[in-house]
Amino acid sequence: QLQLQESGPGLVKPSETLSLTCTVSGGSISSSSYYWGWIRQPPGKGLEWIGSIYYSGSTYYNPSLKSRVTISVDTSKNQFSLKLSSVTAADTAVYYCARVPRCYVWGSYCAISVDYWGQGTLVTVSS
Amino acid sequence: QSALTQPASVSGSPGQSITISCTGTSSDVGGYNYVSWYQQHPGKAPKLMIYEVSNRPSGVSNRFSGSKSGNTASLTISGLQAEDEADYYCSSYTSSSTLWVFGGGTKLTVL
Repeated sequence: QLQLQESGPGLVKPSETLSLTCTVSGGSISSSSYYWGWIRQPPGKGLEWIGSIYYSGSTYYNPSLKSRVTISVDTSKNQFSLKLSSVTAADTAVYYCARVPRCYVWGSYCAISVDYWGQGTLVTVSS
Repeated sequence: QSALTQPASVSGSPGQSITISCTGTSSDVGGYNYVSWYQQHPGKAPKLMIYEVSNRPSGVSNRFSGSKSGNTASLTISGLQAEDEADYYCSSYTSSSTLWVFGGGTKLTVL
């Protein structure tokens, strides 16, 4: 059974960099069938797509966060990571890592769904 | 502002059916059959309920069904039960550089 587990500091100071890691167990992050993504949910609000990565390192980012986000992958550890720089209180949220099955349509790679989610980790931005 | 538009709330009585809409554009919902729906109970991670517009993962009740017409997708829940009370999110592949987008979410209240 695939499992994803987020880890990282639960408290980050304003203007600093938020760093989270997702450890994948029960499956290989190097599979050609999946992207690996980050999603966040501010308290009381909806889901926001942050971005995703393929095991080869290719990435997709939400344009609203692109200037501050870096997603990377470490296939040797079966992990992928999120870094969000220059955080403010607006970045306070539950952060989820997830698996995204990959598809191919009309000459481009695409995504099918978000089929496995981590339990989520609350990151609070406060001094 | 979310990329996909959902009603903020819907409600229904036990045993009734409800439908939640999800409106996008030809770059996402209307252009591809990669619309999915998620159920989220308070304090829990979202759960995939429908993928590729109308397919149910193993273990999801057949009371949940999905459809699409043009740029609007819909989730229908029949035979409402108290346990269906939750937030529901639609999402879709997008041909933009983002890859994936979510709707703003709909709170379902079972009266």
